[in-house]
Amino acid sequence: EAGVTQSPTHLIKTRGQQATLRCSPISGHTSVYWYQQALGLGLQFLLWYDEGEERNRGNFPPRFSGRQFPNYSSELNVNALELEDSALYLCASSLLQENTGELFFGEGSRLTVL
Amino acid sequence: GEDVEQSLFLSVREGDSSVINCTYTDSSSTYLYWYKQEPGAGLQLLTYIFSNMDMKQDQRLTVLLNKKDKHLSLRIADTQTGDSAIYFCAESRLDNTGKLIFGQGTTLQVKP
Repeated sequence: EAGVTQSPTHLIKTRGQQATLRCSPISGHTSVYWYQQALGLGLQFLLWYDEGEERNRGNFPPRFSGRQFPNYSSELNVNALELEDSALYLCASSLLQENTGELFFGEGSRLTVL
Repeated sequence: GEDVEQSLFLSVREGDSSVINCTYTDSSSTYLYWYKQEPGAGLQLLTYIFSNMDMKQDQRLTVLLNKKDKHLSLRIADTQTGDSAIYFCAESRLDNTGKLIFGQGTTLQVKP
């Protein structure tokens, strides 16, 4: 069974540009989560989508946005890129009704803003 | 606050036991997790413990939970060089926000 897949693996942008990152969850999982892992800051929760709806967002500015498609894949968009947006962006998926709340992570997309 | 705290670095010799500690803040946490991140990779779930348990053992891994002190630990017996990675503890709460709260991660260095 395929795990969570993310693309691209690496992305280099310049300040002010826009970045789009993509995530395909494990088959059958309806929830997708996005986390930012910046150097020295651990994992910061960005967004949670379930059944196509945004359910929760973390403490990030509105230029971080996303969506979830009918096939449960998801896109994270970051507009007006700033240098401090350089980070590893991790996507995870889960079955919402799964009691353990376990998240299954992809390998991440590394965004570098120059 | 939301903080989950871990020490940042631990160095052990191959064959020794490693103990990675974590403290969390929310007494309503339902599940607590240990994830492992190898260089350049995503996070892999190692083990989890339900909040009404105080210990869970899984092969070389032992998780201890002290709910009174809000303290979680992960013990790795007979640590191998392949165990070198960053270890994150995380908590899941009853607040239905869908997010796991992660610690900053402990880098485990295993010396041969």
